[in-house]
Amino acid sequence: DAGVIQSPRHEVTEMGQEVTLRCKPISGHNSLFWYRQTMMRGLELLIYFNNNVPIDDSGMPEDRFSAKMPNASFSTLKIQPSEPRDSAVYFCASRSNTQGGNQPQHFGDGTRLSIL
Amino acid sequence: AQSVTQLDSQVPVFEEAPVELRCNYSSSVSVYLFWYVQYPNQGLQLLLKYLSGSTLVKGINGFEAEFNKSQTSFHLRKPSVHISDTAEYFCAVSLSGNTGKLIFGQGTTLQVKP
Repeated sequence: DAGVIQSPRHEVTEMGQEVTLRCKPISGHNSLFWYRQTMMRGLELLIYFNNNVPIDDSGMPEDRFSAKMPNASFSTLKIQPSEPRDSAVYFCASRSNTQGGNQPQHFGDGTRLSIL
Repeated sequence: AQSVTQLDSQVPVFEEAPVELRCNYSSSVSVYLFWYVQYPNQGLQLLLKYLSGSTLVKGINGFEAEFNKSQTSFHLRKPSVHISDTAEYFCAVSLSGNTGKLIFGQGTTLQVKP
């Protein structure tokens, strides 16, 4: 079975540019999570969706960050304008919530973002 | 509020030795507990989970964990580690509701030496 698919795997861009990260969750999963991982701050939850609806975006750093989930099989995380401090690995995860909170999250391999 | 504390940031150990990675949590409600492993340049992979029932949980790659409610701990153990176990390990809790939101610990880097 295909797991969570993220693209691109690596992104290098200059400060001020718009960055779009993409995620395809596992088919049938109805919750999707975006995380950011850095050495300094560890793993941080940015936002999560249930049935394509954003539930909690309290982890989104600032207005430069936005996330959408137009349908059950696709989500984007956008940074505009990007800054060097946004450099990190961004992970997407999905899970099925049909049986309550006991279903684990499944992670993609991440997007390594470098802002110069 | 819920929180997870992994007591060791790095654990060096020799190959074939036993290892324990410690995890403590705080929560006023029932939780589900998870251990994930992250190999270099990869995402997190589920090792094992505790939902209810037996407090000793067995996972993949020979790992096991024991849930101790009185000590609010969920330590991860392996009786004999391999070089390939070198990775970062994350403990996480999820509320027993339906949100699926995970609270992660800071991670423990396991360094297995030959």
